[in-house]
Amino acid sequence: DTEVTQTPKHLVMGMTNKKSLKCEQHMGHRAMYWYKQKAKKPPELMFVYSYEKLSINESVPSRFSPECPNSSLLNLHLHALQPEDSALYLCASSQDHLVTDEKLFFGSGTQLSVL
Amino acid sequence: DQQVKQNSPSLSVQEGRISILNCDYTNSMFDYFLWYKKYPAEGPTFLISISSIKDKNEDGRFTVFLNKSAKHLSLHIVPSQPGDSAVYFCAASANNAGNMLTFGGGTRLMVKP
Repeated sequence: DTEVTQTPKHLVMGMTNKKSLKCEQHMGHRAMYWYKQKAKKPPELMFVYSYEKLSINESVPSRFSPECPNSSLLNLHLHALQPEDSALYLCASSQDHLVTDEKLFFGSGTQLSVL
Repeated sequence: DQQVKQNSPSLSVQEGRISILNCDYTNSMFDYFLWYKKYPAEGPTFLISISSIKDKNEDGRFTVFLNKSAKHLSLHIVPSQPGDSAVYFCAASANNAGNMLTFGGGTRLMVKP
């Protein structure tokens, strides 16, 4: 199984809503990532979890709150988002984020629209 | 300042011909380079990679060339097929930054039948 599964595939939310994005992998990877991709732009790193601990936060606003309940799951809790937060949110995993020469496996993403 | 650049936003190639996608980088600490392929509304899919100790890596129809002195890499696809039509992202990581990938802006490849 080389899949990273993300749910939901699409999400529309208002600026006062609270929602969560979910990501799951069963490859035994110990590093998981959240990326954000705006249209016609490259993916941008948001967070890195290593061995279930938050390792890197790329100065992401607090309205995005990541959570790693266990080594297979990664959530992104959303609250009070702005329309400019509308984007494709990608989850990825790798064996260990401190080891180079490794590829990241990406999920299909959640297309988020904030109204 | 973009550390990884793909200067061609799009490329159109006839089926059966060679596709050459280019990527330039500025950070001399980058030592691992990857190419990802992406279809609309899907996540990037790993295609091929190369370590800085090599100058060429080949996998079937895909070959990546690395010119460290020029800080330039390229992806060759031969022969190109209509199913190769997608956006291709070049990405790089540095040994001291683990798997934190820096992506280029992407090149949209269109392979015409």
